[in-house]
Amino acid sequence: DTEVTQTPKHLVMGMTNKKSLKCEQHMGHRAMYWYKQKAKKPPELMFVYSYEKLSINESVPSRFSPECPNSSLLNLHLHALQPEDSALYLCASSQDTGLRDTEAFFGQGTRLTVV
Amino acid sequence: AQKVTQAQTEISVVEKEDVTLDCVYETRDTTYYLFWYKQPPSGELVFLIRRNSFDEQNEISGRYSWNFQKSTSSFNFTITASQVVDSAVYFCALGTGYSTLTFGKGTMLLVSP
Repeated sequence: DTEVTQTPKHLVMGMTNKKSLKCEQHMGHRAMYWYKQKAKKPPELMFVYSYEKLSINESVPSRFSPECPNSSLLNLHLHALQPEDSALYLCASSQDTGLRDTEAFFGQGTRLTVV
Repeated sequence: AQKVTQAQTEISVVEKEDVTLDCVYETRDTTYYLFWYKQPPSGELVFLIRRNSFDEQNEISGRYSWNFQKSTSSFNFTITASQVVDSAVYFCALGTGYSTLTFGKGTMLLVSP
């Protein structure tokens, strides 16, 4: 199994809603990532989890709250988002956070629209 | 600071043509890794290749080939005999140190029948 599974695939939420994005991998990877991708732009790193601990937060606003309940799961909790937060949110995983012998596997993403 | 430049925003070719996607990078690190990813309309990023800075051997995988030249800081990607299924956005990325990737802006490849 070389898949990273993200749910839901599409999400529309109001600015006062609370929702969560979910990501799952069963490759035994110990590093997991959240990226944000706006239309016609490259992905931008948001968070990195290494061995279930948050290791990088790229100055992401607190309305985005990541959580790593176990080594296979990564959540992104959303609260009080703005319309400009509408984007494709990509989850990725890799063997670990060193690049030496790793490659990152990406999920299909959740396309989020904030209304 | 790391930087990746993909100067070609969009390329259109007809099926069976060969096409080269350019990637130029900047880094002060001596150890680094270069990647190519494909993003089809479905959205996921598909890993194509990883190259480390100490391995300048060019690589061929089926219709895909990569030309890594440290002297010009380039890591170009060629698709031979392109097919409609190759239509996608292709990202070149640079990784150093702690595995955060710096992506180029992407090149959209349109292959028409």
